[in-house]
Amino acid sequence: NAGVMQNPRHLVRRRGQEARLRCSPMKGHSHVYWYRQLPEEGLKFMVYLQKENIIDESGMPKERFSAEFPKEGPSILRIQQVVRGDSAAYFCASSRTVESAKNIQYFGAGTRLSVL
Amino acid sequence: ELKVEQNPLFLSMQEGKNYTIYCNYSTTSDRLYWYRQDPGKSLESLFVLLSNGAVKQEGRLMASLDTKARLSTLHITAAVHDLSATYFCAVTQGAQKLVFGQGTRLTINP
Repeated sequence: NAGVMQNPRHLVRRRGQEARLRCSPMKGHSHVYWYRQLPEEGLKFMVYLQKENIIDESGMPKERFSAEFPKEGPSILRIQQVVRGDSAAYFCASSRTVESAKNIQYFGAGTRLSVL
Repeated sequence: ELKVEQNPLFLSMQEGKNYTIYCNYSTTSDRLYWYRQDPGKSLESLFVLLSNGAVKQEGRLMASLDTKARLSTLHITAAVHDLSATYFCAVTQGAQKLVFGQGTRLTINP
């Protein structure tokens, strides 16, 4: 049973380019979460999605960032016109349910974005 | 706004010693998690604590939860080098969002 799969593992972009980060949840999981981790800091929530729906995007910057989780295929976190401050590790997590006792979020290996 | 604070942020200890990491959170939450992260790696789930007085143990690690004090502890017994990592606590805000502490970087020296 494969875990949460993220790709690419490392992504280098120049300022102004677009970054696309992909996340395939664990089998049987329909809830996906994106978090950002700056160096030497904890993870900060960005967005929570279920299939085809954004449930909570309260942690997403208002501009340049978007996320989707289509009916078919992986969840995508898209960053347009990247700036140096976007350099961070972006982690995706998935869970099977949101019921209290069973809602463990399993994390992928992360995508480390470097903006030159 | 829910805030989660860990202390200490850095901890260097010798093998064989015991120590405790503390996690305080500012508002009521129904779940508390402990995760481990090795450098450059993802987060590994260690414990999920759901109720007041909950205690869970796995090997040399034991986690407890006091919801009245809004405090969780992660206790390390007779530390070994393999436990060197960064440990995060996180609590749920709403049904799904995790709010993380800053992390405790633990280094265990021979």
